[in-house]
Amino acid sequence: DTAVSQTPKYLVTQMGNDKSIKCEQNLGHDTMYWYKQDSKKFLKIMFSYNNKELIINETVPNRFSPKSPDKAHLNLHINSLELGDSAVYFCASTADRTNTEAFFGQGTRLTVV
Amino acid sequence: DQQVKQNSPSLSVQEGRISILNCDYTNSMFDYFLWYKKYPAEGPTFLISISSIKDKNEDGRFTVFLNKSAKHLSLHIVPSQPGDSAVYFCAALRIQGAQKLVFGQGTRLTINP
Repeated sequence: DTAVSQTPKYLVTQMGNDKSIKCEQNLGHDTMYWYKQDSKKFLKIMFSYNNKELIINETVPNRFSPKSPDKAHLNLHINSLELGDSAVYFCASTADRTNTEAFFGQGTRLTVV
Repeated sequence: DQQVKQNSPSLSVQEGRISILNCDYTNSMFDYFLWYKKYPAEGPTFLISISSIKDKNEDGRFTVFLNKSAKHLSLHIVPSQPGDSAVYFCAALRIQGAQKLVFGQGTRLTINP
């Protein structure tokens, strides 16, 4: 009955590979997000979708492509992985695009070797 | 160009005493400020928020104070309990089209028995 769930929790992969992280929320929220926690521990927004529509796209390399098949899911696909992509990626959701309280998943620790 | 900063990476407090976590920001256009709590291997969870038009918000043992002239906010926890040991993230939000949380780098709070 986890509100926001991400899979996998840990992901170790080689440079150059393509990988996906999945996120699902069962809260009935309209808006979902991907955040990246870098080596300096800052959490920074990458993307946001509202009802399957992309509404926030920060300066993120084109190798990162979010996909929202429905408003309960927001997956993150990463092509040609680089060492610098190693980080913890958090999915989150809010009731709507202006709601202040975000619910986060447990994070996916991506390690690129 | 971090707009939200938490300058103390860690804080240690004795059980029963007051914990004070600090946060500074640079953008005077933020509409809300929030505190999130994060345990290891879990995602951040919402703790308390304050609107930019207020200077204090209280919820049980947690109180957030906002000083707009100083661009500073603080979270007070009293009395501190061992279960409060976690990383606390300060975040700011400007509601302009879409919600986009801007996080500080976190402060690790340790409550000693």
